[in-house]
Amino acid sequence: DTGVSQNPRHKITKRGQNVTFRCDPISEHNRLYWYRQTLGQGPEFLTYFQNEAQLEKSRLLSDRFSAERPKGSFSTLEIQRTEQGDSAMYLCAGGGSSYNEQFFGPGTRLTVL
Amino acid sequence: DQQVKQNSPSLSVQEGRISILNCDYTNSMFDYFLWYKKYPAEGPTFLISISSIKDKNEDGRFTVFLNKSAKHLSLHIVPSQPGDSAVYFCAASADYGQNFVFGPGTRLSVLP
Repeated sequence: DTGVSQNPRHKITKRGQNVTFRCDPISEHNRLYWYRQTLGQGPEFLTYFQNEAQLEKSRLLSDRFSAERPKGSFSTLEIQRTEQGDSAMYLCAGGGSSYNEQFFGPGTRLTVL
Repeated sequence: DQQVKQNSPSLSVQEGRISILNCDYTNSMFDYFLWYKKYPAEGPTFLISISSIKDKNEDGRFTVFLNKSAKHLSLHIVPSQPGDSAVYFCAASADYGQNFVFGPGTRLSVLP
């Protein structure tokens, strides 16, 4: 157990709807990452926070995606106007002062019908 | 263009033998490499890492070797145990952990 929790664990939605996922790292995790993973692939980097500052965003993060980390604690990832191609596992990871480790949550599996 | 490649989708090994998982990368700016293990329905779990200033790092049954000139790293598990059966991901970073690039993974099956 890494101490990183994600909610919900599963989300089924219809195309065009908005969805929001939440990640709760442990308090020592000043770094926070979001990844997307599709079947047969490794996690693909989406975005990175250092405390509350969003320092890097992938080209994969289209304008339909937005992530926040208010007060440098929990984080949310919102997808607007979902598309079937958004169906994937969305993983959150926390990291402390040692940049060589990330502690992953169990992920949120999104299915867009 | 995949910057981190794991060309073996799967690997089967007998219990007690050595498991060798390979990873190749194309970006010469990568300076930190990590291996993760993933069980079904769980997030990846960190296993072992290596900095580009080293060529070997060992932690118990797990050893990672880095060959910078060949842009190749490998994870050795000795002896392999049935509980090691999982998907193993290689990951690399070029900017002190702001952006990690993962390979597609290798599914290891350790047969009793």
